Amino acid sequence: GAVVSQHPSRVICKSGTSVKIECRSLDFQATTMFWYRQFPKKSLMLMATSNEGSKATYEQGVEKDKFLINHASLTLSTLTVTSAHPEDSSFYICSTTGEKLFFGSGTQLSVL
Amino acid sequence: AQSVSQHNHHVILSEAASLELGCNYSYGGTVNLFWYVQYPGQHLQLLLKYFSGDPLVKGIKGFEAEFIKSKFSFNLRKPSVQWSDTAEYFCAVNAGNNRKLIWGLGTSLAVNP
Repeated sequence: GAVVSQHPSRVICKSGTSVKIECRSLDFQATTMFWYRQFPKKSLMLMATSNEGSKATYEQGVEKDKFLINHASLTLSTLTVTSAHPEDSSFYICSTTGEKLFFGSGTQLSVL
Repeated sequence: AQSVSQHNHHVILSEAASLELGCNYSYGGTVNLFWYVQYPGQHLQLLLKYFSGDPLVKGIKGFEAEFIKSKFSFNLRKPSVQWSDTAEYFCAVNAGNNRKLIWGLGTSLAVNP
């Protein structure tokens, strides 16, 4: 069936570097993708809504310049964590929504 | 503002015990409701969902949930849990036209063998 592919599944980086996370819809077109962050206490937080061909919509409190989202095609959305710091260490998950609800497998980011 | 409340943050049960995890939401319009599970070290998986029709929804692995509109609730149940049900359980609501999911904080379930 249709799936969402997210990679990398795990990344360890040095403080100050940037990390790109990709989310691909494999056999369907996703005009909208959502990016979530899962905090250590296990609550999921919506970070932003990625819309193909337009600017992403960010939730209140999410830094647009830090979490760059690009949705250049109907099958690919990317989240770039710029100048990562240890407090950015978290689990990031993408998903489509609506009636077709598919999640990526998530990316565990560890910033040293 | 829309919100989802999961009442139990940590639940510990013995095998074969019955399970009920509470989920309430605040939204007056049409909603789609979901329960997700995250097993240790794995990604989120859909347990079940409600869009319309029979308010008693059957999901995978013997789980079910009942949508009670008057109570704004969508509680998850399983008659007899197993050790392998140890996981995090998330309730989510898809409300309104913007279609974003509103998540509960999750419930950590530990099943002792």
